[in-house]
Amino acid sequence: DTGVSQNPRHKITKRGQNVTFRCDPISEHNRLYWYRQTLGQGPEFLTYFQNEAQLEKSRLLSDRFSAERPKGSFSTLEIQRTEQGDSAMYLCASQDWTSYEQYFGPGTRLTVT
Amino acid sequence: GQNIDQPTEMTATEGAIVQINCTYQTSGFNGLFWYQQHAGEAPTFLSYNVLDGLEEKGRFSSFLSRSKGYSYLLLKELQMKDSASYLCALTGGGNKLTFGTGTQLKVEL
Repeated sequence: DTGVSQNPRHKITKRGQNVTFRCDPISEHNRLYWYRQTLGQGPEFLTYFQNEAQLEKSRLLSDRFSAERPKGSFSTLEIQRTEQGDSAMYLCASQDWTSYEQYFGPGTRLTVT
Repeated sequence: GQNIDQPTEMTATEGAIVQINCTYQTSGFNGLFWYQQHAGEAPTFLSYNVLDGLEEKGRFSSFLSRSKGYSYLLLKELQMKDSASYLCALTGGGNKLTFGTGTQLKVEL
């Protein structure tokens, strides 16, 4: 197993554009989490899935953000009408429900100009 | 809500021992994690405490006191590669993690 992967690793976009990120978790991990991290801060929870069900969304996740995990495997996070304040590292983590450890992917760094 | 406090920066000497503290206020949590994060990389798991006491894992140890709202990470025999950010995090419902702002550790010769 190669661990959690995320694509793209870097994304530069203009304000107002839509962007979509993908996360491929460790196979057979049924829980998948999205976090956002800005410079000098710890990661902040955005949302999580158990299999294909989205069980919780943070208040940080405005209406411009949507996440899916259609078949309980990979997940996508879409940001519509990006704003400069969306610039951050977006981290994905997966977990097997029998374990306590979350394994993080390398992240997607988003820059909104 | 949960509030987690860590020192922003620490500096230590190669070969020495350093203790990174984490204090928190919360209405409840399942356990406390410590993660290491090198610049531009993903956080990697170091330790997990559920019960009060010390958990030792090689050069790294972590301590938890629920009654005092306090944890620390102890790093022994410091190496240059230990220069990184160390994140304290609480886990609650759904196992989502609530992180502190992290402590940037610089190891010097």
